[in-house]
Amino acid sequence: DAKTTQPNSMESNEEEPVHLPCNHSTISGTDYIHWYRQLPSQGPEYVIHGLTSNVNNRMASLAIAEDRKSSTLILHRATLRDAAVYYCILLGGAGGTSYGKLTFGQGTILTVHP
Amino acid sequence: DSGVTQTPKHLITATGQRVTLRCSPRSGDLSVYWYQQSLDQGLQFLIQYYNGEERAKGNILERFSAQQFPDLHSELNLSSLELGDSALYFCASSPGGPNTEAFFGQGTRLTVV
Repeated sequence: DAKTTQPNSMESNEEEPVHLPCNHSTISGTDYIHWYRQLPSQGPEYVIHGLTSNVNNRMASLAIAEDRKSSTLILHRATLRDAAVYYCILLGGAGGTSYGKLTFGQGTILTVHP
Repeated sequence: DSGVTQTPKHLITATGQRVTLRCSPRSGDLSVYWYQQSLDQGLQFLIQYYNGEERAKGNILERFSAQQFPDLHSELNLSSLELGDSALYFCASSPGGPNTEAFFGQGTRLTVV
């Protein structure tokens, strides 16, 4: 399975932007890059996903490197509610090794200070 | 509310017993995923079904089995339970395919005593 590497933890101050990096050097051409987060005592929550182009939604932005070997999740203004574990996941199409496997790694623990 | 319903929310049972966890996916979603989350481990992918058929398998023990029914709800069966099976079990659903998002239920907390 294609693997991702994320820092174990990051810290931010409230109302500041946060850039969460993810390396995925073995990504295949059909793998989508997904981000999920898990708040304390809750199930995981979808954040954003993309294939090649940068993506924006109401929660965050996803910046994908031109070679697709890395990506960055951007929270434009962190709030206390954004404190969570953030997971970067590769989800592949049919025929790929990561087909169907929405597999979570260790993720990045984001701490937001008031 | 994600639209994914898991029942029961809590379950306490004894070692050696068998339990069934149920998941009702969001309306229209064909794919169901199951995960186990223990205190000392992250989210472990167990298995995925798509429209009634197994699509991907993770680290699911032989004592565990799952199925997806024609109405698309899914059940995870855990048998010969051990203390170490105590965990939160999450179900997620999605329309299917890598270009779709998954929605997670609130989980079933299983305690084996």
